[in-house]
Amino acid sequence: NAGVTQTPKFQVLKTGQSMTLQCAQDMNHNSMYWYRQDPGMGLRLIYYSASEGTTDKGEVPNGYNVSRLNKREFSLRLESAAPSQTSVYFCASSGSGDRGKKLFFGSGTQLSVL
Amino acid sequence: AQRVTQPEKLLSVFKGAPVELKCNYSYSGSPELFWYVQYSRQRLQLLLRHISRESIKGFTADLNKGETSFHLKKPFAQEEDSAMYYCALSGIGNEKLTFGTGTRLTIIP
Repeated sequence: NAGVTQTPKFQVLKTGQSMTLQCAQDMNHNSMYWYRQDPGMGLRLIYYSASEGTTDKGEVPNGYNVSRLNKREFSLRLESAAPSQTSVYFCASSGSGDRGKKLFFGSGTQLSVL
Repeated sequence: AQRVTQPEKLLSVFKGAPVELKCNYSYSGSPELFWYVQYSRQRLQLLLRHISRESIKGFTADLNKGETSFHLKKPFAQEEDSAMYYCALSGIGNEKLTFGTGTRLTIIP
């Protein structure tokens, strides 16, 4: 099993450009999450989805949108990228019994906004 | 609001010496605490959770509700313990896992 797969692994954008980060999991998990990791800030929750068809804001949702396309896929969109969004982005998922507890993480997307 | 504090950004310990990574939390409900670890070129993964009360790779952590702490300990450090460690907090019925800022542990040979 691949677990949680994120694409792309690296991306460079210019300020104002848009892009979508893709995430898919093959563990039949209900819950999925997007975090960003910044030096000295740890991991901060951007958005999460407790189940297919639902999404909720996390700690730092401004400038982002998400789509829970189906049970497997949860995408993160930057409509107009800003340098402050330069970060490493992690997608994660968890099963019903471990919602918000035991998360399985993807390998991350390193995004630079110039 | 839930908050996790890891006061040490960097920690260097000699091989064979004891290790203690500090974690303090703030949470109004009944907390669930976790330690996650990210080894070089590997994914972030769960190391241990307080409700399991188990030792993983020689590491243990005890939840101290009086001091609102969940420090990670290992009696004898090994080189393979070098990694980034994150303390995390959730609660019963809580969807959100809140992470601390992390401690980078380096084991000196």
